[in-house]
Amino acid sequence: AQKITQTQPGMFVQEKEAVTLDCTYDTSDPSYGLFWYKQPSSGEMIFLIYQGSYDQQNATEGRYSLNFQKARKSANLVISASQLGDSAMYFCAIDAGANNLFFGTGTRLTVIP
Amino acid sequence: DTGVSQNPRHKITKRGQNVTFRCDPISEHNRLYWYRQTLGQGPEFLTYFQNEAQLEKSRLLSDRFSAERPKGSFSTLEIQRTEQGDSAMYLCASSTGLAEYNEQFFGPGTRLTVL
Repeated sequence: AQKITQTQPGMFVQEKEAVTLDCTYDTSDPSYGLFWYKQPSSGEMIFLIYQGSYDQQNATEGRYSLNFQKARKSANLVISASQLGDSAMYFCAIDAGANNLFFGTGTRLTVIP
Repeated sequence: DTGVSQNPRHKITKRGQNVTFRCDPISEHNRLYWYRQTLGQGPEFLTYFQNEAQLEKSRLLSDRFSAERPKGSFSTLEIQRTEQGDSAMYLCASSTGLAEYNEQFFGPGTRLTVL
């Protein structure tokens, strides 16, 4: 069984600042993938970044980076230079070979001008 | 349009009625997924197709729910005898299953309200 925990229901960040969204996970599968998705108010889930359990380096995609600490089972998302358009729900998810994604409860990020 | 599309975007129905949603995946994607998302929660897996074969079903998929993907392209999700607890956003996603990681591309969802 997989478990994703996102302990921050809401976060605020000043425009142009960096913000870290927390995610911890639990799985018994030795091979797994961790995803972050963004969900704006329109409802569509937008893929942001992926980290494989065997990847040696932290994943980066533009302003998004993933702080992967395998021993601590954490996969925090770092958004640099926040923009107003970053305001949305952010979900961490795990794919442990079960042909589906298991999501956390999400963090609502609000970027303040 | 090369993304996943879902119709209708919104559906309001009375308790006890049947509803059907449609999902058109990205054309070259052979994997298709249905998720349900209730207010304040992340999406929860319902079912998964590889081409036309339904390979996995969640315990959340009660016998009132049925999903099909008859030709391995579009999929339908039907809910019979709707209940107020079925009110949720129903999300469809697709993937190739061939990439290094199984990135799922999501559609805009169908928001169901059962009165």
